[in-house]
Amino acid sequence: AQKVTQAQTEISVVEKEDVTLDCVYETRDTTYYLFWYKQPPSGELVFLIRRNSFDEQNEISGRYSWNFQKSTSSFNFTITASQVVDSAVYFCALRVYGNKLVFGAGTILRVKS
Amino acid sequence: NAGVTQTPKFRVLKTGQSMTLLCAQDMNHEYMYWYRQDPGMGLRLIHYSVGEGTTAKGEVPDGYNVSRLKKQNFLLGLESAAPSQTSVYFCASSYPQGDGADEQFFGPGTRLTVL
Repeated sequence: AQKVTQAQTEISVVEKEDVTLDCVYETRDTTYYLFWYKQPPSGELVFLIRRNSFDEQNEISGRYSWNFQKSTSSFNFTITASQVVDSAVYFCALRVYGNKLVFGAGTILRVKS
Repeated sequence: NAGVTQTPKFRVLKTGQSMTLLCAQDMNHEYMYWYRQDPGMGLRLIHYSVGEGTTAKGEVPDGYNVSRLKKQNFLLGLESAAPSQTSVYFCASSYPQGDGADEQFFGPGTRLTVL
């Protein structure tokens, strides 16, 4: 079975702090995809990144970076120099071929000015 | 393109009432999904469809029915609403890629309250 754990229910930081959101996944398959979605206060879900199981290179996009480590089954997300606009719920998700997208419970990020 | 749209945005029902949520997408996607989002539980898949005329059960299908008569529309029905179905419902669609890489595009959500 597939499972995604986001152990941090809620994180509060002050603007300009760096923050890392943890994601740990479970699967027995060797081919899978990992995703991060952002849900701002307006409620819609915004796709952030997709990573396949064969690509362990870290990725950076502006202030966002992702660290994928198969050895620890983790796909963590770091926001550098956080801003108030980063306040949202962030979901990590896992998809195995032939199966459905499985979401973690989400992490609420509050960035205070 | 409007992307994925959902109707209505908000609804309040009494226990036992029925209703249908409509999802429409204009991206010519084959796959469509219905999720529910509850506090502390992330999104859970209710039903999904891999093409016009086909539907399948997801993780939490009980109490819901779906239909996909047209490729662009995916309807979610509650025949007899219960307070446990109070939730935010999201529709999503995707264009299938053989290895599971397809990105799902989400609608804005429908907030349903059952009294």
